[in-house]
Amino acid sequence: AQSVTQPDIHITVSEGASLELRCNYSYGATPYLFWYVQSPGQGLQLLLKYFSGDTLVQGIKGFEAEFKRSQSSFNLRKPSVHWSDAAEYFCAVGAVTGRRALTFGSGTRLQVQP
Amino acid sequence: DSGVTQTPKHLITATGQRVTLRCSPRSGDLSVYWYQQSLDQGLQFLIQYYNGEERAKGNILERFSAQQFPDLHSELNLSSLELGDSALYFCASSVDGVSNYGYTFGSGTRLTVV
Repeated sequence: AQSVTQPDIHITVSEGASLELRCNYSYGATPYLFWYVQSPGQGLQLLLKYFSGDTLVQGIKGFEAEFKRSQSSFNLRKPSVHWSDAAEYFCAVGAVTGRRALTFGSGTRLQVQP
Repeated sequence: DSGVTQTPKHLITATGQRVTLRCSPRSGDLSVYWYQQSLDQGLQFLIQYYNGEERAKGNILERFSAQQFPDLHSELNLSSLELGDSALYFCASSVDGVSNYGYTFGSGTRLTVV
C-alpha cells in the first residue's frame, strides 16, 4: 500500500528566509507525487507534480520540489518565503496501478514571521 | 474559483440525522473523489466515481453512501450522524479515472454535528 509521511507538523520561518518541507513516501514502484497547499477556509490547490523525467520540478508561486528515489523523498522548497505563503502544505502520492485515489500526508502547517 | 462547486458550504445538524452534500465537478472532468478532513485523521479518501460508476472505495463508513449522476454531479449521503462525523468534506475531480494529473478540489463543506 502507498503511504506518505510528513515529519514536520508545524514549521515557522521568517519572511524572506528559505523553506524546505519534508515528504517521504512508500510505494513499490515509481510513484506520482504531488504537493498541495491549503489556505484557511479554502480547498487544496495543486502546487506541482512529478511523474517521471527531470527530478527537479517547478511549480506555481515560486515553489520547487526534488524527487530523490534513493531517499524516497519529495521535499518542497522555496528560496524566499512571503507572508502569503502561510498555509498548510500536503504531500500526496498516486499510483499507476492498483488503488487510484491519491494518498495524502498529514500536512505541515507553515507560519511566516515578519 | 477552481471550477469544482460544493454545496452547502456549512451545515449544522443534530446527531442521528441525515444530510446530503453535493458536488459539481470541473467542466470536462469525468471522475469525482470524496475526502473527509478532520483534525485527528487528516485527509481520508472516502470514495471515487468515474463517469457514473463507482471506481474505488476508501475508508467510507457503511452509514455513508454516494452516487454520481448522468450529468456527472455527485452527492455524498451521510446518515445516522454522530459527533465524530464533524469534519470538512471535500470533493475533487479529475479528467480521467486515474491519479496521474492530480485533482482539482472544491472549497469543501464544513459539517458540524451537535
